[in-house]
Parts: sequence; C-alpha cells; structure tokens
Amino acid sequence: DADVTQTPRNRITKTGKRIMLECSQTKGHDRMYWYRQDPGLGLRLIYYSFDVKDINKGEISDGYSVSRQAQAKFSLSLESAIPNQTALYFCATSDSYQGGADNQPQHFGDGTRLSIL
Amino acid sequence: LAKTTQPISMDSYEGQEVNITCSHNNIATNDYITWYQQFPSQGPRFIIQGYKTKVTNEVASLFIPADRKSSTLSLPRVSLSDTAVYYCLVVGGGYNKLIFGAGTRLAVHP
Repeated sequence: DADVTQTPRNRITKTGKRIMLECSQTKGHDRMYWYRQDPGLGLRLIYYSFDVKDINKGEISDGYSVSRQAQAKFSLSLESAIPNQTALYFCATSDSYQGGADNQPQHFGDGTRLSIL
Repeated sequence: LAKTTQPISMDSYEGQEVNITCSHNNIATNDYITWYQQFPSQGPRFIIQGYKTKVTNEVASLFIPADRKSSTLSLPRVSLSDTAVYYCLVVGGGYNKLIFGAGTRLAVHP
C-alpha cells in the first residue's frame, strides 16, 4: 500500500549495532503495527499502538522497542541487533474500532529486509 | 483467539476457479473471517471479509456455512498474477489483532 511507507527498504548491519526502522502513513489511521516475517512463515506481531499515547507488546517484543512520534509515524528499534533478528519487517495501519466489531482491515507497507551479520 | 487451518499449497491453471478452504473450529460470536493475499517482497493485502453466508467483491467470493466453523475463498478464473500466498484469519473479539499462520501458497500455471 503506497500510503504506508517504510524506510529503509533494505539494510545490512552487524551484530550489536542499534537499528531503527521507520514507518509513516498518509491514511489518517490511528492504529499502527509492526510485524516480522521469517522465510516460509506467517507474520508475527512485535508491537502495536492504538493511538499516540498507547503502546502495546505483541507476541515477540523481546529485543525490540518502538516509538510513536505522531499519529502518522511509528518506528521500530533494535537496541543491539543479533543475527536471529534477520527477517522481513512490515508496518501496518488500520482504522479505529467503529463499534459493532473490531475488524477493520490492516494496510501494510512493502517491508524492510533486514540482515544482521 | 481462534486458530485457523488451511492447506499449505495448491496448484491451478489459468482460467480455472480456485477454492481455498479454511477451518476455524473455535470461532467466536463476534469474530469475522478475513483473507489477505501476499506477493513476494510485498506486504499482505486485504482481499475480502465476511461474517456469514456469502460475500462477493470484484476480486473474490467468500462462502461461510451456517455453523461458521469453516470458510471458502473462491477466486474465479485465476491468472498467473494470482500466484501468491493467501492467509485466512479470524479477527474481532474486542481488538484488531491478526494472527497469521503459514497461509496457502497458490501456484497458477500456464
């Protein structure tokens, strides 16, 4: 989705380095998410944010941190990168809960391919 | 959160109809069934979502039986560009958390 932009698209770095992946969106959505995808597997949720003051851990948050700088920006940091964090990282957004059912579709960026040597 | 089960892979040929079935035995009353499509090196893309019976849009149809314990994504007359991974998810239950399994890898052949 061109309205969800991830930078960089590719990054190679060394073990122990601090890495920041950035996500910005022009969809005006309140909710933002970070996922990682490993080869042949589905996506796993790292962190999610329902608004600027709300940050929640996903199923695999260890070794990661996030910052929601504004409604449109949500960054993911690896404080000290390790090789098993090599993966494809996706940012996603969704509209807020409208009432009736919390089932708003998520809109994904095209991912950041991160390799840690 | 309801777990889903779907075939790991499927093969088809151009022009055929493809049906991918997903089982979700523990679906809750407030849950919706949602399908995403993912091409290599791209993020998943929402295809269709339904609660019961049948939903159709310009891309696909979704069939959900009365007991809602399974659903079938139907892609009419597939083309090579439909080669992708298709994910079945159950969403709802109070907050929008998506749990992706491995999906179904569909290969469309000439």
